[in-house]
Amino acid sequence: KNQVEQSPQSLIILEGKNCTLQCNYTVSPFSNLRWYKQDTGRGPVSLTIMTFSENTKSNGRYTATLDADTKQSSLHITASQLSDSASYICVATGAGSYQLTFGKGTKLSVIP
Amino acid sequence: ETGVTQTPRHLVMGMTNKKSLKCEQHLGHNAMYWYKQSAKKPLELMFVYSLEERVENNSVPSRFSPECPNSSHLFLHLHTLQPEDSALYLCASSQDHWTEHLEPQHFGDGTRLSIL
Repeated sequence: KNQVEQSPQSLIILEGKNCTLQCNYTVSPFSNLRWYKQDTGRGPVSLTIMTFSENTKSNGRYTATLDADTKQSSLHITASQLSDSASYICVATGAGSYQLTFGKGTKLSVIP
Repeated sequence: ETGVTQTPRHLVMGMTNKKSLKCEQHLGHNAMYWYKQSAKKPLELMFVYSLEERVENNSVPSRFSPECPNSSHLFLHLHTLQPEDSALYLCASSQDHWTEHLEPQHFGDGTRLSIL
């Protein structure tokens, strides 16, 4: 069964600090890995999409990494801002598929 | 502004009511989706439409009935819902429905549905 596990479930950090969110997936055959940001009361917004051949992709202060051998991905946030407070959702997609397998998300709170 | 608009944003209805959720996308996309988001659970795909044809119905109860009159509009008709149907219903669109094409899905802000 295709699954995506994210850790931690929630995280509180001080403004200006860095943090790393983790994602493990068991989707097979695998095509690509996505990270979304979901602000409270809003829909998810795409941050990055990486194929199995890519190791890293950046979007501003967000940097995603992918290890297709160990089926792990991480999202690193640099110099966090209050506006980074949101849920971050890891999504794995299978080859030849139109379905996305979503994780439950990590809820990040950035405090002053 | 994501280019995907959902109405209403909030809906409270009794179990015997009939209501409809509306989604409109202004991105020129060919695929549209309905998702259900419940607390502490991953997003669940409900329906996929590609060029107005239903591609997927993920074992969704018949009390949920989708309609896609054209590639810009998507509806979810609701009737005789249960309390466990209370959730955030998200609409999304993408250029096409094949995820290998690396096109992101663009989500609306959802309709928060509460069943009394």
